[in-house]
Amino acid sequence: EAGVAQSPRYKIIEKRQSVAFWCNPISGHATLYWYQQILGQGPKLLIQFQNNGVVDDSQLPKDRFSAERLKGVDSTLKIQPAKLEDSAVYLCASSLDSRARYGYTFGSGTRLTVV
Amino acid sequence: QKEVEQNSGPLSVPEGAIASLNCTYSDRGSQSFFWYRQYSGKSPELIMFIYSNGDKEDGRFTAQLNKASQYVSLLIRDSQPSDSATYLCAVNEGGADGLTFGKGTHLIIQP
Repeated sequence: EAGVAQSPRYKIIEKRQSVAFWCNPISGHATLYWYQQILGQGPKLLIQFQNNGVVDDSQLPKDRFSAERLKGVDSTLKIQPAKLEDSAVYLCASSLDSRARYGYTFGSGTRLTVV
Repeated sequence: QKEVEQNSGPLSVPEGAIASLNCTYSDRGSQSFFWYRQYSGKSPELIMFIYSNGDKEDGRFTAQLNKASQYVSLLIRDSQPSDSATYLCAVNEGGADGLTFGKGTHLIIQP
């Protein structure tokens, strides 16, 4: 089966600019996650979708970050305006169900550098 | 707040020896436990999961879980240079929430 697809792979922007990341999960996976991984740290959950509804966005900085999953398939994560501390790898993952009993599969990630 | 603690390392192990990676977690309600491997510049890759107390073996890897001590470990037997990576421990309550990850342990296998 095809894996989780993410684009772009790399992005460099200036602070206060906006940026968007795209994710296409594994076919049939109802649950989609966006994680932020800062260099030297473990991934931190930003938002979790179940189909096209938000399950958990408690750690999403809502003043600048937004995400949507229209039609319960693809998802977009946006940052506006970006700050220097947003430099990180943004990972998308998907799982068959919300319990993620077997863990989940990550995409290749988008490395964001804010200068 | 749920916390997952790992020694960041680096942990240096000679080739052919057993590498032992440890993880503790704060939430007693955690039900599922995962080990991911992450090579530099790559995304995390799931290598094992465990739900029940005791040991679970898969090839050269053994995951060990002790819920009473809130402790999970990963043993890698016959360590190879290709095992050099960061190993991330992750836990889940078993409900509809996502995985909580530790910071990872950087493992170096010395030829």
